[in-house]
Amino acid sequence: NAGVMQNPRHLVRRRGQEARLRCSPMKGHSHVYWYRQLPEEGLKFMVYLQKENIIDESGMPKERFSAEFPKEGPSILRIQQVVRGDSAAYFCASSVGQDGYTFGSGTRLTVV
Amino acid sequence: GNSVTQMEGPVTLSEEAFLTINCTYTATGYPSLFWYVQYPGEGLQLLLKATKADDKGSNKGFEATYRKETTSFHLEKGSVQVSDSAVYFCALTHGSGNTGKLIFGQGTTLQVKP
Repeated sequence: NAGVMQNPRHLVRRRGQEARLRCSPMKGHSHVYWYRQLPEEGLKFMVYLQKENIIDESGMPKERFSAEFPKEGPSILRIQQVVRGDSAAYFCASSVGQDGYTFGSGTRLTVV
Repeated sequence: GNSVTQMEGPVTLSEEAFLTINCTYTATGYPSLFWYVQYPGEGLQLLLKATKADDKGSNKGFEATYRKETTSFHLEKGSVQVSDSAVYFCALTHGSGNTGKLIFGQGTTLQVKP
């Protein structure tokens, strides 16, 4: 049983481009969480999704960021018109219920 | 609001030394408390957890006790190894109205020298 798979591991984007980060949860996990880790900081919650539903997006920036978790396929975190301040590591975690997280290895986004 | 505060790092120890990493929290309700470890270039791994007051979580020689009276969850290990070098994060989930999201401390880097 593969763990939580995130891709790409590293992503470089120029300012103004779009970044799409993918997360495939563990088999049987229907809850997905996205976190952002800025350099030298802890992880900050962004969004919590269940299949086809956004449950809590209280940590998402109001503009340029969106997330989805379709019925089929991975969860996607999308950042439009990236800026240098978006450079960070983005981690996805999945769970069966609201406990017992498994984290992916993260996507490290660099905006140049 | 809910928050977690950890001691600042880096913490540098010699092999076989005793480790303490302090963690205190502020939360409404009755949170669950966690320690996660992050090795370089990797994601977070759950190290241990405690879900109610006076519970002790333990794993791989690490321990932490949920102290409601002092709102603390300090991480300890009696004898560290070089392989324990990593970043350690204390975290909690909200008590009431929980959606499962974690609130993390800023992390403490541990460096163990041979």
